[in-house]
Amino acid sequence: IAGITQAPTSQILAAGRRMTLRCTQDMRHNAMYWYRQDLGLGLRLIHYSNTAGTTGKGEVPDGYSVSRANTDDFPLTLASAVPSQTSVYFCASSPGDRGWSGYTFGSGTRLTVV
Amino acid sequence: GEDVEQSLFLSVREGDSSVINCTYTDSSSTYLYWYKQEPGAGLQLLTYIFSNMDMKQDQRLTVLLNKKDKHLSLRIADTQTGDSAIYFCAENQAGTALIFGKGTTLSVSS
Repeated sequence: IAGITQAPTSQILAAGRRMTLRCTQDMRHNAMYWYRQDLGLGLRLIHYSNTAGTTGKGEVPDGYSVSRANTDDFPLTLASAVPSQTSVYFCASSPGDRGWSGYTFGSGTRLTVV
Repeated sequence: GEDVEQSLFLSVREGDSSVINCTYTDSSSTYLYWYKQEPGAGLQLLTYIFSNMDMKQDQRLTVLLNKKDKHLSLRIADTQTGDSAIYFCAENQAGTALIFGKGTTLSVSS
């Protein structure tokens, strides 16, 4: 593993199903983030974690939950998927040093909810 | 909250210069960033500028920062077809998470 790994790469999911998107980093970065990317809307922050054991809500948190049990992993869970959650999801991490927020991004998960 | 603003599209010919503009919102942002997204891929950090700088040059890339107007620009000299991508500017408001613009799609024709 080098950088950030997201899984799955793509998924078609029936509405109402539960789904967890996985994100793992091997850079020992303190901070991790989940964004969704939608055409015409750019990237919107869903949830973030400044350090292991803490999480926070971003711009569009409804319908999503996260956990940060350790430094490396930051899974995103959709408890009951809806079609409006069809999107490309990106996980990112940063060292979390004061002022510097240069992110490393994963390759994304393309999710289609039908 | 306020948005980071970018024009959505830019079309240039190969060999010309490209200038992508961005207006950001938080005058206290320490760093300002440009990310590049190629089709089907995640975002890659292209370059950045520290807020106490006016200009930064890195090979074919020149970043200009006007703090008074909260205006950031990215100039790509001698634009190539491989530069075709979506370019995002971003700022770190209040030290939490990066806020991204909606992205500028750069199309380079040969």
